[in-house]
Amino acid sequence: AQKITQTQPGMFVQEKEAVTLDCTYDTSDPSYGLFWYKQPSSGEMIFLIYQGSYDQQNATEGRYSLNFQKARKSANLVISASQLGDSAMYFCAMRAPNTGGFKTIFGAGTRLFVKA
Amino acid sequence: DTGVSQDPRHKITKRGQNVTFRCDPISEHNRLYWYRQTLGQGPEFLTYFQNEAQLEKSRLLSDRFSAERPKGSFSTLEIQRTEQGDSAMYLCASSRAGEAHEQYFGPGTRLTVT
Repeated sequence: AQKITQTQPGMFVQEKEAVTLDCTYDTSDPSYGLFWYKQPSSGEMIFLIYQGSYDQQNATEGRYSLNFQKARKSANLVISASQLGDSAMYFCAMRAPNTGGFKTIFGAGTRLFVKA
Repeated sequence: DTGVSQDPRHKITKRGQNVTFRCDPISEHNRLYWYRQTLGQGPEFLTYFQNEAQLEKSRLLSDRFSAERPKGSFSTLEIQRTEQGDSAMYLCASSRAGEAHEQYFGPGTRLTVT
């Protein structure tokens, strides 16, 4: 069975500091993709970053980086230099086409609060 | 605006009524997905289209739910005989072909069944 686990229901971070949001996953598929999405209070899901299971290097996109530890099955999101606008729900997601078909499964999310 | 659009944004209906939602994906995207999101949870996959073909359906999609994408462009999701448990946000997303391609989400349709 495929599963995404986000163990932090809520996180607080001071503006301009870095924060790590945890994500662990479970799949028997050797080929999979990991995604992070941001969902502000307005409701739209915004793609942040992607990591493929065969990628050798950790993905980075601006202030977002993905700490991919394949052996531990973790894909933590690191946000550097937090901004007030980063306050939102963050979802980790996975797609494993060989065993999971076309669906993407999401974790329960972590709500991030950035303090001024 | 060339993003994914959904209509309506909000729908209030009485239990037992039928509702239909529409999704217009990004024009060059051939993949289209429907998800359901309840409060405090992540989106749950409902169904997937590649062009006009519905290639995968979740077991969450009971026989009261049906989705179509008749010409491989817009899609509709119909819920028949709505129940209070159907109250949720229904999200549509689209993407290009290829596993690495991220999905672009629409703003969602919030359904409230009274």
